[in-house]
Amino acid sequence: AQTVTQSQPEMSVQEAETVTLSCTYDTSESDYYLFWYKQPPSRQMILVIRQEAYKQQNATENRFSVNFQKAAKSFSLKISDSQLGDAAMYFCAYRPAETSGSRLTFGEGTQLTVNP
Amino acid sequence: EPEVTQTPSHQVTQMGQEVILRCVPISNHLYFYWYRQILGQKVEFLVSFYNNEISEKSEIFDDQFSVERPDGSNFTLKIRSTKLEDSAMYFCASSGQYYGYTFGSGTRLTVV
Repeated sequence: AQTVTQSQPEMSVQEAETVTLSCTYDTSESDYYLFWYKQPPSRQMILVIRQEAYKQQNATENRFSVNFQKAAKSFSLKISDSQLGDAAMYFCAYRPAETSGSRLTFGEGTQLTVNP
Repeated sequence: EPEVTQTPSHQVTQMGQEVILRCVPISNHLYFYWYRQILGQKVEFLVSFYNNEISEKSEIFDDQFSVERPDGSNFTLKIRSTKLEDSAMYFCASSGQYYGYTFGSGTRLTVV
């Protein structure tokens, strides 16, 4: 079974600084997708960024980028120029690519605080 | 941008009562899901639905739960006899042929 682990329950960063959230996963699949979701206090799940495992290039979305290390099964999220609105719970998630409609497996989450 | 719509946003129910949570997935999506998040915990998969039948369910999705797509637009989750431990945020999601998931804004269920 696939598992996703986020070892940092809480992180904090100063506004305008950079922070990296860690995620590791375990799978026997060779092709899969990885995601970071943001959950603000409203508790809505907002997709931040996604990575296809077959792509070697790390995904980027504006201030958000990932460091995808397939051999190490590591998928960290870097937030540059942190803003107050980035404060939220962040979840790493995995799904296999083989089957359309497969479930997402989530990590435990990292609560990010942004200090002014 | 297309959205997944969930109603109600918050529901309070008495223990033992039946509740139906409603979702309108994105119209051209093929796969529909329910996830649950107990306060302070991670998001857990409940069930996926494709071609008018359940395609996968977790161990959480026992006989108390059922899903239905009663018409061409709605997707519902029914909890037959609610327990205190069913109190959680319930998320509906849908996806197309490829990897993209879209989540609704959730229904907060409180069982008293």
